[in-house]
Amino acid sequence: EVQLLESGGGLVQPGGSLRLSCAASGFTFSDYAMTWVRQVPGKGLEWVSGIGKDGINTYYADSVKGRFTISRDNAQNTLYLQMNSLRAEDTAVYHCANYHCSTSSCYRNFESWGQGTLVTVSS
Amino acid sequence: DIQMTQSPTSLSASVGDRVTITCRASQNINNFLNWYQLKPGKAPKLLIFAASSLQTGVPSRFSGSGSGTDFTLTISSLRPEDSATYHCQQGHNSLVTFGPGTEVDVK
Repeated sequence: EVQLLESGGGLVQPGGSLRLSCAASGFTFSDYAMTWVRQVPGKGLEWVSGIGKDGINTYYADSVKGRFTISRDNAQNTLYLQMNSLRAEDTAVYHCANYHCSTSSCYRNFESWGQGTLVTVSS
Repeated sequence: DIQMTQSPTSLSASVGDRVTITCRASQNINNFLNWYQLKPGKAPKLLIFAASSLQTGVPSRFSGSGSGTDFTLTISSLRPEDSATYHCQQGHNSLVTFGPGTEVDVK
């Protein structure tokens, strides 16, 4: 059974930093690209960042570019999101998810999701 | 960035009704379109990928269609457990974007 378990959320002041982790199990982690998606309570989904299966290629939404860094440790089956210069508008539940790309196409369909970890940015 | 819109914003329908949600992309995304179901307190669930392919384990009353810029998600016979918010998402390029969501209420 695929399991994705996020951790590291909490309350942080504006301008502060947090590091989120996503522990993966139940699938071959190094075969999957990974992504972070956030949801403001009561609102919709916003894609945040993605990383290829080997960790070389990384992608960011304009809203977080230059402040957030995605990374992964395939030996530890763990995905990370380093969040710096946090703003009130970054307050959300952050989910990690996996997706598989073939050599011919990549639909970026996020197959399995974690329950999420809540990040609250407030003074 | 590719912008995604959805209509309607919300709808209310009865058990057994056929429900259709529309999603539109700001440019041609071929069939790189996925649909998700969101319920409060639960992880999002992938329903449809590549515009029309049913994800494993998803009931067959869910279906997707479309290509290019216009897509639909159809629930053929609405059930009480389908009360949720539905989002489309484009995966045409690495800068993924989601639609704003359609809230479905089952009367």
